[in-house]
Amino acid sequence: ETGVTQTPRHLVMGMTNKKSLKCEQHLGHNAMYWYKQSAKKPLELMFVYNFKEQTENNSVPSRFSPECPNSSHLFLHLHTLQPEDSALYLCASSQPAQASGPGKETQYFGPGTRLLVL
Amino acid sequence: AQTVTQSQPEMSVQEAETVTLSCTYDTSESDYYLFWYKQPPSRQMILVIRQEAYKQQNATENRFSVNFQKAAKSFSLKISDSQLGDAAMYFCAYRGDSNYQLIWGAGTKLIIKP
Repeated sequence: ETGVTQTPRHLVMGMTNKKSLKCEQHLGHNAMYWYKQSAKKPLELMFVYNFKEQTENNSVPSRFSPECPNSSHLFLHLHTLQPEDSALYLCASSQPAQASGPGKETQYFGPGTRLLVL
Repeated sequence: AQTVTQSQPEMSVQEAETVTLSCTYDTSESDYYLFWYKQPPSRQMILVIRQEAYKQQNATENRFSVNFQKAAKSFSLKISDSQLGDAAMYFCAYRGDSNYQLIWGAGTKLIIKP
C-alpha cells in the first residue's frame, strides 16, 4: 500500500527538540488528516485540511503545528513536546467533503510515525 | 453526538473458522457510512469493508462480510475461513454524510489460533 506515505517511520526526540513529520498522498485526494493513536485509546482526530485549508483543529496544543503546502503534502511540526505526546501519528487522505460519488467518504491511511518523547 | 461502541476488547478464533466482531453506534442522522478497518502489528490502518446506510444489501469483500441492521444500529463484521494474516486490531468507524470526520470505536483485538 503506497497510496499514502509517512516519514519518518520512527522518531525519538527530547522535549526541547524541534522535528517535523511528513505525509504524502498519491491518490489525487484533496482532504488530509492527522490522527494521534495512543495505547488503550480510540484514534483522536487532530487536524483536517480540505483543499489546503485547515477546517478542523480538535483542541490540539500549540506545540503541534500543521502545515499543508499543497493537496499532496501534509506536515506536522513538533516543538517542546511532552512525554505524554508519545504515540503513533497517522496521516490519512480522502476525497474532499464536497465530493460526490462512491468511495468519496473513505479515508486511506499511511503507515504512521511512531514517536517517543524522552 | 455520534458514538461507536465495540464491546469485545479481544476475540480469538481457530484458523479456518468463522468469527463475528460486534459494533453498535448511535446517531440521529439518516444518511451515513460505516467502516471496518484492520490494523495489523505493522500499524498500517487498512480499510476492510464499507457500508452506505442507504443500501439495504450487506457489503461483502471476499471472506469479509457485514451484517448491517440499521434499525438496531448494529454493524457486525464476519470473517469466514480465518487466516493467520487476519490477526490484527479491528476498528469500527462511523462517518455522517454531512461531516467528513470519522468516529471510531475502541477496537477489538482478533487472535487467530493455528
